[in-house]
Amino acid sequence: DVKVTQSSRYLVKRTGEKVFLECVQDMDHENMFWYRQDPGLGLRLIYFSYDVKMKEKGDIPEGYSVSREKKERFSLILESASTNQTSMYLCASSRRAPISYGYTFGSGTRLTVV
Amino acid sequence: QKEVEQNSGPLSVPEGAIASLNCTYSDRGSQSFFWYRQYSGKSPELIMFIYSNGDKEDGRFTAQLNKASQYVSLLIRDSQPSDSATYLCAVLMDSNYQLIWGAGTKLIIKP
Repeated sequence: DVKVTQSSRYLVKRTGEKVFLECVQDMDHENMFWYRQDPGLGLRLIYFSYDVKMKEKGDIPEGYSVSREKKERFSLILESASTNQTSMYLCASSRRAPISYGYTFGSGTRLTVV
Repeated sequence: QKEVEQNSGPLSVPEGAIASLNCTYSDRGSQSFFWYRQYSGKSPELIMFIYSNGDKEDGRFTAQLNKASQYVSLLIRDSQPSDSATYLCAVLMDSNYQLIWGAGTKLIIKP
């Protein structure tokens, strides 16, 4: 069974902490994505990557950075966590051209910053 | 700005009835369209994909695509309480192979 695995289901961090969210996929997908999802705001793209060591800003990259050192792993970093970064974070992966398969999502990380 | 629009709902449907969910998109060049289901507190899961104009059926689910009118819809026949979820419409942009997401429609099936 193909999978996208996010390292933590629930996470509580303090304001100002550096936070790492990890995502690993076993489908040999080229593309990986980080979204956050908040009530009433839908899915918002933070960063994405089309290849190893490659990253592109999405719609809301401020306060975040990413790392993709290996094809299967895409990490989201909150440099200095703030309360407005409390959210559900979703990682997704896809083939380079997801024409008929779309994206596969991980189970999500619900992050609370206190 | 490429957009995908959905009515946020909630859409309330009696058990056993047909639930009809609609989505419109702005990019006339879009070719691939997806419906995802998301249960509360869970991540989205793909339930339907459609590429060609017309209908595509999979069990109780039917996706309908009308490219001329730029809308895609999802019909759920014999609705069950387990169908209660938020349904997300997504459109694939051929220019960069990214999915553009609607905000989702919350569906409630009442027993």
